[in-house]
Amino acid sequence: QVQLVQSGAEVKKPGASVKVSCKASGYTFISYVIHWVRQAPGQRLEWMGWINAGNNNTKYSQKFQGRVTIITDTSANTAYMELSTLRSEDTAVYYCARTQHLSFDYWGQGTLVTVSS
Amino acid sequence: SYELTQPPSVSVSPGQTASITCSGDKLGDKYASWYQQRPGQSPVLVIYQDIKRPSGIPERFSGSNSGNTATLTISGTQAMDEADYYCQAWDSSTDVVFGGGTKLTVL
Repeated sequence: QVQLVQSGAEVKKPGASVKVSCKASGYTFISYVIHWVRQAPGQRLEWMGWINAGNNNTKYSQKFQGRVTIITDTSANTAYMELSTLRSEDTAVYYCARTQHLSFDYWGQGTLVTVSS
Repeated sequence: SYELTQPPSVSVSPGQTASITCSGDKLGDKYASWYQQRPGQSPVLVIYQDIKRPSGIPERFSGSNSGNTATLTISGTQAMDEADYYCQAWDSSTDVVFGGGTKLTVL
């Protein structure tokens, strides 16, 4: 069965960076695109960007351009999202999700990132 | 930038039909998807490509999309359907966009 398993919760200070991992199993990793979506407490889902695991093409939301980097390690079937220059407003649950048919058919369990001094 | 608008809340009695709308400019020209999110859990896809149900999603969930509005309909609503629901579409200018979410209360 398809699974996306993310790394554990993180606590970071303002100005630091965070890197969240998303390990895929149960399907051919390089055949799909992985997206990253975040959700601040009590807020809507917010799209951050995607990576095509087959060719490493990426696209980022304009809001996060310059601060976010998404990469993959195909030997480990894992995608990573790194967000830099963290501020308190970046406190959120970060999700990875796989796309198929222009929708997100499988999601990771989420990773809580807390930014606090 | 492209935006999707949902009502903040919808209430329904058990066994009745709930309808949740999602509005956006010419949304009917795009594919709409819907996600259910229970508290503390990851979103779950319930409708994709406007009207299709993923395997394992009950038949009481259905969707439509025309003009500027996509609609998620839950027939014979059950207590377990109480959750937040988000619509989502793709736009050439903003790529992926989500609606603001609708809290469905079953009372």
